[in-house]
Amino acid sequence: AQKITQTQPGMFVQEKEAVTLDCTYDTSDQSYGLFWYKQPSSGEMIFLIYQGSYDEQNATEGRYSLNFQKARKSANLVISASQLGDSAMYFCAMRDPGNFNKFYFGSGTKLNVKP
Amino acid sequence: DTGVSQNPRHKITKRGQNVTFRCDPISEHNRLYWYRQTLGQGPEFLTYFQNEAQLEKSRLLSDRFSAERPKGSFSTLEIQRTEQGDSAMYLCASSILSGASTDTQYFGPGTRLTVL
Repeated sequence: AQKITQTQPGMFVQEKEAVTLDCTYDTSDQSYGLFWYKQPSSGEMIFLIYQGSYDEQNATEGRYSLNFQKARKSANLVISASQLGDSAMYFCAMRDPGNFNKFYFGSGTKLNVKP
Repeated sequence: DTGVSQNPRHKITKRGQNVTFRCDPISEHNRLYWYRQTLGQGPEFLTYFQNEAQLEKSRLLSDRFSAERPKGSFSTLEIQRTEQGDSAMYLCASSILSGASTDTQYFGPGTRLTVL
């Protein structure tokens, strides 16, 4: 079974600083996809960034980048220049390699950005 | 607004009552998913539809749960004889099957169910 682990239940970061949210995953497959979602207090899951297992470069989307270390099975999210609006829950997810319709989510990290 | 919508946003019910939630996916998306999210956890997969066909159901989906997508557009999730353990956020997501590995799921705002 696939498994996603997020070991940081909560994180604090000063506004305008960078922060790294950790994610490790467990799979025996070689082809898989990793996703990060943001969930504000309103409840909606917002897609942030995607990394494919065969992608040679780390994914970037604006202030979001993914530090992908395949050998260590980690896919950490880096948020640069944190803003107050970044305060939310962040979930790492992996698409089931054998079933493209299933996503497995970690337990999330609550990020608080301090002014 | 062309995102995924869910109704109601909040539902409070008494144990033993039936409840029904609705999800309207992004219009061109042919796949629709239901997830359940309890406090402090990530979403857990419940079931998914491709068009009107329900192709997979999780073991989490007990006999009291039923989901439909009658015309391949909106979907309903019904919980019969609700129990306090059913209290959770129910999230709907949709996606389009393009064959690309980057296909992602787009989520609605969720329906928060409280069973008293």
